[in-house]
Amino acid sequence: AQTVTQSQPEMSVQEAETVTLSCTYDTSESDYYLFWYKQPPSRQMILVIRQEAYKQQNATENRFSVNFQKAAKSFSLKISDSQLGDAAMYFCAYRSTTTSGTYKYIFGTGTRLKVLA
Amino acid sequence: DVKVTQSSRYLVKRTGEKVFLECVQDMDHENMFWYRQDPGLGLRLIYFSYDVKMKEKGDIPEGYSVSREKKERFSLILESASTNQTSMYLCASSPLRAGNTIYFGEGSWLTVV
Repeated sequence: AQTVTQSQPEMSVQEAETVTLSCTYDTSESDYYLFWYKQPPSRQMILVIRQEAYKQQNATENRFSVNFQKAAKSFSLKISDSQLGDAAMYFCAYRSTTTSGTYKYIFGTGTRLKVLA
Repeated sequence: DVKVTQSSRYLVKRTGEKVFLECVQDMDHENMFWYRQDPGLGLRLIYFSYDVKMKEKGDIPEGYSVSREKKERFSLILESASTNQTSMYLCASSPLRAGNTIYFGEGSWLTVV
């Protein structure tokens, strides 16, 4: 069964600095998608970034980028120039193909990011 | 914009009550999901549905059932609520096309007393 592991329950970063959140996953699939979601105090889940496994190039969205290592099954999120508004819970997610041919999404346990002024 | 609407943000129910959590999406998505979120446990999948009247168990289906009579609506049912079902419940939807993301509602806080 596919699993997603986030080993850092909590991280802190100084405003304007860079922080990296870790995520590893386990799968036997060769083609899949990985995601990072942000959940601010409002609890509304927001997509941060998405990576397709067959693409070698790491995805980037403004200050957010990923380091995707397919062989190591690692998918870390780097936040550059951290801002106070980045403080949130971050979830790593994997899109899994089910036996019925549809998809389901498996989430990690989350990393709470604190941004210090 | 995709809109996933959960009918109740906050509910307080008594042990043994039957509880309905309703979710509606407006983007004609085939897939719909119910997750439970607890501190330290992340999001755990309860049930999901890929078509009307079709459902599959997630990782923690015990004590829950679901109903999908219309494509846009997916209901989570707690047949007999228990205190260990006190949690945040998140509904989500996604299209069937490969690679597309999952869109979430704002969540329903359920307290069972």
